[in-house]
Amino acid sequence: KNEVEQSPQNLTAQEGEFITINCSYSVGISALHWLQQHPGGGIVSLFMLSSGKKKHGRLIATINIQEKHSSLHITASHPRDSAVYICAAPLNNNDMRFGAGTRLTVKP
Amino acid sequence: DTAVSQTPKYLVTQMGNDKSIKCEQNLGHDTMYWYKQDSKKFLKIMFSYNNKELIINETVPNRFSPKSPDKAHLNLHINSLELGDSAVYFCASRDSSSYEQYFGPGTRLTVT
Repeated sequence: KNEVEQSPQNLTAQEGEFITINCSYSVGISALHWLQQHPGGGIVSLFMLSSGKKKHGRLIATINIQEKHSSLHITASHPRDSAVYICAAPLNNNDMRFGAGTRLTVKP
Repeated sequence: DTAVSQTPKYLVTQMGNDKSIKCEQNLGHDTMYWYKQDSKKFLKIMFSYNNKELIINETVPNRFSPKSPDKAHLNLHINSLELGDSAVYFCASRDSSSYEQYFGPGTRLTVT
């Protein structure tokens, strides 16, 4: 079992749909990092959260520290949201474990 | 201004060669990292440097050596390149006040 598990691995949605990507982790301190990797390859930090919920535009991330679970939601999805979404758990100040990523495709 | 930059973006080379990838961050962060992303897109940490001190060296062959001339730079030098070294290498940096990391654009290394 991976230390950081994401589901689903692949997700295809129609434009406008509400998207949920889940992340469960068994390691790390009480925080979680959500990253986005576009087809061009660059990695962008979306959220770092240690409690509750954070919102940025159409993206919402929630975390339950006790259950070691986090979700990333995308409202009103758009084809430009198509990317790989990766969650990562910091182990300490200098190490992080990554999930395998969720490949999202949003069709127009 | 690019926060974390890497050069080159693409690197094609033959087995046995020695190559370097450069990374620079202008964020004033005190910790920098090198990650390897394999063909399945799985990211794994290779090195972490904090104030010019190597903190982590995961099970990386000693053909790989990070070199940090100053706090803003962490270069990756690879000796005797092998086919299995083909991957995308990402540099990242972090400020000590947060766990959030900022990634460079990646360097796609292809060893033929």
